[in-house]
Amino acid sequence: AQKVTQAQTEISVVEKEDVTLDCVYETRDTTYYLFWYKQPPSGELVFLIRRNSFDEQNEISGRYSWNFQKSTSSFNFTITASQVVDSAVYFCALSEAQGSGNTPLVFGKGTRLSVIA
Amino acid sequence: EPEVTQTPSHQVTQMGQEVILRCVPISNHLYFYWYRQILGQKVEFLVSFYNNEISEKSEIFDDQFSVERPDGSNFTLKIRSTKLEDSAMYFCASNPDRVIYEQYFGPGTRLTVT
Repeated sequence: AQKVTQAQTEISVVEKEDVTLDCVYETRDTTYYLFWYKQPPSGELVFLIRRNSFDEQNEISGRYSWNFQKSTSSFNFTITASQVVDSAVYFCALSEAQGSGNTPLVFGKGTRLSVIA
Repeated sequence: EPEVTQTPSHQVTQMGQEVILRCVPISNHLYFYWYRQILGQKVEFLVSFYNNEISEKSEIFDDQFSVERPDGSNFTLKIRSTKLEDSAMYFCASNPDRVIYEQYFGPGTRLTVT
């Protein structure tokens, strides 16, 4: 069965600090996709990144970076030089590949990040 | 940039009433989903829809729920007789293909059952 664990419920940092949000997943499939979504106070879900299980390269996009490690089933997300606008709930999600396509997204419980000015 | 839209943004209803939540997915997308998020909790899958039929549903999606694509653009979620525990944010999502692509989420409808 699929499961996504985000052990950090809430994190507070001071602006300009770096912060890492942890995500650990469980799946029996060898082919799967991992995602991060941001949910700002306004409530919508904003897609940040998708990673497939065959691509363990780390990715950097501006101040955001992602570290995918299959050996530890983790897909961690780092924000460098955090800003107040980064304050949001961040969700990690997993989708397994099936013959006819992917399963629906399974989300973690989210990590609420507060960046203090 | 195309986006998924949802109406209304907030719906208040009394217990036992029927509600219909509406979504307009991105026009060339083929797969549609409903998720819900009880306040402060994680986002949970309800149902997926493809080719005018349900392709998958979760345990949450019981007989009180139904989905429909009444025309070429709208995708609706109906709750027949709302309960207090149906109060949540309901998200519609779509993607062009079930494989590989990320799901594009709408802004959500906050349903409050009193």
